[in-house]
Amino acid sequence: GEEVAQTPKHLVRGEGQKAKLYCAPIKGHSYVFWYQQVLKNEFKFLISFQNENVFDETGMPKERFSAKCLPNSPCSLEIQATKLEDSAVYFCASSHPVNTEAFFGQGTRLTVV
Amino acid sequence: QKEVEQDPGPLSVPEGAIVSLNCTYSNSAFQYFMWYRQYSRKGPELLMYTYSSGNKEDGRFTAQVDKSSKYISLFIRDSQPSDSATYLCAMSGTDSWGKFQFGAGTQVVVTP
Repeated sequence: GEEVAQTPKHLVRGEGQKAKLYCAPIKGHSYVFWYQQVLKNEFKFLISFQNENVFDETGMPKERFSAKCLPNSPCSLEIQATKLEDSAVYFCASSHPVNTEAFFGQGTRLTVV
Repeated sequence: QKEVEQDPGPLSVPEGAIVSLNCTYSNSAFQYFMWYRQYSRKGPELLMYTYSSGNKEDGRFTAQVDKSSKYISLFIRDSQPSDSATYLCAMSGTDSWGKFQFGAGTQVVVTP
């Protein structure tokens, strides 16, 4: 597609439940990135992929967060046993080769109650 | 101290004025500089992408990068009420592509 597609737009989970977010990058883009936006504008890098391979996962809270990018499937970000502090907007972005323009999706707003 | 500093505003300007935005940074490894516009409850929209130092112009937007001063700017000419949004600078090094450091974002309000 011509834009980064994220689903769902909104997700509400009870504390302790699992949350799974999806991202379809722009067609032909080989790099995918996940960010968490907390408060008003603070963006926190989570993880990046080059095709299906993890490129950089230094931002991932590994005990509960996991992510995958499999061939011919949307990328996914999964949070096991959600906590109240996981409430945020999660953005996915993609770019063509490394070091080119990066385009963001519209985000998934996760609310943990 | 944050790696990227950006005044959160709000910055209020009358319609038709030039909007001037800037960010400073501390990491000399940054080579790629981007400006995004974010409307409330929407995703960041890429406005400008610049590599290393120099100027780049696209329509009403001009981006400037001064690596010697670790200072980047975005100018919006002939501002419109539809330009009212939060503007985010973001930057990355070559080896850390995708791990962008964002500024705090500047809220801009263009009044008719």
